[in-house]
Amino acid sequence: DIQMTQSPSSLSASVGDRVTITCRASQSISSYLNWYQQKPGKAPNLLIYAASHLQSGVPSRFSGSGSGTDFTLTISSLRPEDFAAYYCQQTSTTPSTFGPGTKVDVK
Amino acid sequence: QMQLQESDSGLVKPSQTLSLTCAVSGGSISSGPYSWTWVRQPPGKGLEWIGYIYHSGTTKYNPSLKSRLTISLDRPGNRFSLELRSVTAADTAVYYCARHNSYLYAMDVWGQGTTVIVSS
Repeated sequence: DIQMTQSPSSLSASVGDRVTITCRASQSISSYLNWYQQKPGKAPNLLIYAASHLQSGVPSRFSGSGSGTDFTLTISSLRPEDFAAYYCQQTSTTPSTFGPGTKVDVK
Repeated sequence: QMQLQESDSGLVKPSQTLSLTCAVSGGSISSGPYSWTWVRQPPGKGLEWIGYIYHSGTTKYNPSLKSRLTISLDRPGNRFSLELRSVTAADTAVYYCARHNSYLYAMDVWGQGTTVIVSS
């Protein structure tokens, strides 16, 4: 299985901050990398697919980059509704695997 | 707008079978480019991909669960199902059904999730 890691595991930030989360795959996954946001008690919500493509309806302050093994999710200016957990997922091979998550909370 | 809704399984005894159904509305499960996926999340932990079934009926399972798992389609009912046999406490989780979009290579529509507790 392809192992996914994320850093940091948690971070504290303020509204308006620029936030960057990193995801690394144990082997190359090309651009088969997705990012999800999950709020407590809710299902994950797709933010970014294929490493850098913004899902329809997702605000443009979210962006993704990377290919191969190293990827980033950036929130350009954090808003109150962005405090949540973020997960990366590879869909290059089955079983699909998720990163352990990054929790973004209020500083 | 397609919507997914998991059935309520609730409490399952150890060694028994966990059965869940995901009802799909706003579209047909027989149409591409979708496959129908199950994901679970143990309490306080991350997400685990369980497996999916293509609209054609072909399945892909997580090897860690494959020996106990069946995912199937109910075309007349426009729903798909998960059956996990011989459950233990480690199978306690929130179970989500989701639509895997083959154009995006991502899960773009999710059910709200259903909590399954394995306990005697």
